[in-house]
Amino acid sequence: ETGVTQTPRHLVMGMTNKKSLKCEQHLGHNAMYWYKQSAKKPLELMFVYSLEERVENNSVPSRFSPECPNSSHLFLHLHTLQPEDSALYLCASSRTSGGPDTQYFGPGTRLTVL
Amino acid sequence: AQSVAQPEDQVNVAEGNPLTVKCTYSVSGNPYLFWYVQYPNRGLQFLLKYITGDNLVKGSYGFEAEFNKSQTSFHLKKPSALVSDSALYFCAVRAPMDSNYQLIWGAGTKLIIKP
Repeated sequence: ETGVTQTPRHLVMGMTNKKSLKCEQHLGHNAMYWYKQSAKKPLELMFVYSLEERVENNSVPSRFSPECPNSSHLFLHLHTLQPEDSALYLCASSRTSGGPDTQYFGPGTRLTVL
Repeated sequence: AQSVAQPEDQVNVAEGNPLTVKCTYSVSGNPYLFWYVQYPNRGLQFLLKYITGDNLVKGSYGFEAEFNKSQTSFHLKKPSALVSDSALYFCAVRAPMDSNYQLIWGAGTKLIIKP
């Protein structure tokens, strides 16, 4: 799992806190993704960046704010979250060839909102 | 609406027996199909994908999957299960007219291999 790394691996925060999740990819890819994974549900795509430009934003609440400073790094800034936001947050990366590129995932950040 | 179904929440198989994890889909056009595996406390790992060509696709760890267009299925198979295959398996589909980045995901199937 050294291709895509995520920190922290676990995060507990109160509803009034502000925190950030970090993702870094070492695969030379130029697209990066944030997903939310909840138990027994399909993965939910939150945001996609391609060549550092946001290309997908799937109706995600504004309390989640992504940032992609370069093609290797992706952040998810969190503020005033709700308990239902507790989940595993996965980062992924891929090429952008225009075809069915494989997405490669990090280990995830387990987020608990109290 | 486009969708992916993994009809079994859990599949139990004895070690050494063949295993099948089922996936069916409903999308327009010729889909691109993926299987991923997730071990406890880990991210998803890519197993294999079907783009075009031979309907039988071979992937990592001895897994293979067969694309069946008439049945709109892409079942994951392995001839002889190992205890270490126990994990959560996800099927995903990209419809050809969709964004390059959008995958339609199944809800996952928990595979338990018993010694």
